[in-house]
Amino acid sequence: EPEVTQTPSHQVTQMGQEVILRCVPISNHLYFYWYRQILGQKVEFLVSFYNNEISEKSEIFDDQFSVERPDGSNFTLKIRSTKLEDSAMYFCASSGGGDYGYTFGSGTRLTVV
Amino acid sequence: AQKVTQAQTEISVVEKEDVTLDCVYETRDTTYYLFWYKQPPSGELVFLIRRNSFDEQNEISGRYSWNFQKSTSSFNFTITASQVVDSAVYFCAPQYRDDKIIFGKGTRLHILP
Repeated sequence: EPEVTQTPSHQVTQMGQEVILRCVPISNHLYFYWYRQILGQKVEFLVSFYNNEISEKSEIFDDQFSVERPDGSNFTLKIRSTKLEDSAMYFCASSGGGDYGYTFGSGTRLTVV
Repeated sequence: AQKVTQAQTEISVVEKEDVTLDCVYETRDTTYYLFWYKQPPSGELVFLIRRNSFDEQNEISGRYSWNFQKSTSSFNFTITASQVVDSAVYFCAPQYRDDKIIFGKGTRLHILP
């Protein structure tokens, strides 16, 4: 069964550093998403991406965050200058729309120290 | 804003008991999907079910069953003969049209041996 692949599975970074979280969505999907889950809390929507542009973003997705689909297969989330409160699990998801499913990757656990 | 409520924050039952996790959602849409995900301690989101709003038949999959009541906007999840491996956080999550999935706060289920 097709999978959404996220790398790395765990990343530790120093406060103030830039990080890029990578995702390879399912190849024929059209809609791409990033979610965040702070430890012990609910899964929160960050951003959706369709047709090479952001279609919606939440209040969490401020100027520190950006997304890109650089080569037609990868979908990346960049955090420009990480803060301690950015420590969380980040999930990528892709969807084909309609009945074509909605699939999550296994997540990247980001730890900012 | 459309939202989902999982009123039970935490439930503990003894192994082999049946347990029902409640989910109530709000929507103005006539077309939507309803998901349940399991999040074990390892952190990944495990897909359990997706239900189309037009399909009101209840569904059974092994020890899992789902009761969809469109009239009360509820989509409850029952585990029959619970096992210790069922211990996890369970999220109910509606998806409205081709929009993002919205997660409830989750119910943490403890199955006691």
